[in-house]
Amino acid sequence: NAGVTQTPKFQVLKTGQSMTLQCAQDMNHNSMYWYRQDPGMGLRLIYYSASEGTTDKGEVPNGYNVSRLNKREFSLRLESAAPSQTSVYFCASSESTGYTGELFFGEGSRLTVL
Amino acid sequence: AQSVTQPDIHITVSEGASLELRCNYSYGATPYLFWYVQSPGQGLQLLLKYFSGDTLVQGIKGFEAEFKRSQSSFNLRKPSVHWSDAAEYFCAVEGGSYIPTFGRGTSLIVHP
Repeated sequence: NAGVTQTPKFQVLKTGQSMTLQCAQDMNHNSMYWYRQDPGMGLRLIYYSASEGTTDKGEVPNGYNVSRLNKREFSLRLESAAPSQTSVYFCASSESTGYTGELFFGEGSRLTVL
Repeated sequence: AQSVTQPDIHITVSEGASLELRCNYSYGATPYLFWYVQSPGQGLQLLLKYFSGDTLVQGIKGFEAEFKRSQSSFNLRKPSVHWSDAAEYFCAVEGGSYIPTFGRGTSLIVHP
């Protein structure tokens, strides 16, 4: 049972380059999330998707776009990467935002922007 | 708006000693509260959660937490720490948005 799978696990970009982080879950969850984790800052929500076909901004959405491709997949795109986007990115899923329950996390994607 | 504070950035304990990690939240009503653990290089895993009812909740790996409304706290405890408990611990709060807000985390260091 894979749970939440993120790719790639590591990526190095130059300033101005673009890239997409992929996330897929196999638990038939309705809701999916993208967080970034920075030292001393904890996890901050970038975007979330309450259900297929909907996306909403979180706390730190600037510089990012998302796509909820289908119920399983939720991608995060950096159109023009900046050094401030150097971080570890986590995708998570849950049954529903209307149901207060557990978030299931992927193993993270470590991104370095030079 | 909801918020959560973990006042301790690092906690160091000896193996076999007891542990208490602090968490304080801010929310107008009774929130939903969670503790997650992150092992090095891994994602977060749920330890326990409080929704309602008994204010002392039991979780996995021998952890427990107590909800104290009067102190707006949800502290995590373990009576005897094992070296494998060394990890980052996150407290999270959910209010009306049903989207959890995470604290900054507490790094637990376990000395042999």
